[in-house]
Amino acid sequence: NAGVTQTPKFRVLKTGQSMTLLCAQDMNHEYMYWYRQDPGMGLRLIHYSVGEGTTAKGEVPDGYNVSRLKKQNFLLGLESAAPSQTSVYFCASTRSWGVGTYEQYFGPGTRLTVT
Amino acid sequence: AQSVTQLDSHVSVSEGTPVLLRCNYSSSYSPSLFWYVQHPNKGLQLLLKYTSAATLVKGINGFEAEFKKSETSFHLTKPSAHMSDAAEYFCVVSDQYNNNDMRFGAGTRLTVKP
Repeated sequence: NAGVTQTPKFRVLKTGQSMTLLCAQDMNHEYMYWYRQDPGMGLRLIHYSVGEGTTAKGEVPDGYNVSRLKKQNFLLGLESAAPSQTSVYFCASTRSWGVGTYEQYFGPGTRLTVT
Repeated sequence: AQSVTQLDSHVSVSEGTPVLLRCNYSSSYSPSLFWYVQHPNKGLQLLLKYTSAATLVKGINGFEAEFKKSETSFHLTKPSAHMSDAAEYFCVVSDQYNNNDMRFGAGTRLTVKP
């Protein structure tokens, strides 16, 4: 099991450029998440998906779009990058929710710099 | 809305001495609480979780945490620090019935001196 993988690991963009971050999981998890991590702020949820073909906004969705065309993949897009989007991006996944709570499994992160 | 406050941004201990990382939470519902660890340039790894069973929760690598409802706290402890424990630690709260709203604390950086 590779768990949760993210592509690319590093990227530098110029302001206004676009890019897509790819997250893949091989655990057959229903739920997937995109977070950003900024110094002194912990992780904040950007968007999430509760299943193939469905997405929803999190705490800080502005400037990002997502798609979940396949259960195992969750894509995060930046249409017009801004310096404020310089951050480390983490993808996570978890199985379906029933009674109780299941932990999220995290990818290794993508470090994005926007100049 | 729920939230988490990690009371120390940085904790420094000597190897072999106890570790205490403090976390207070706020939640309108029955909370689920987690501690995650992040080593440099790595993703987050679950240390332990509380989900309304035993209030004293044991995790990996000798860590444990105690849920205290009256104090709204979930402090992380370890009896004896090891050099490999040096990392960033995150306390996380979520509603048991809506885990799509996990709230992370700002993190505590643990330094272990030889």
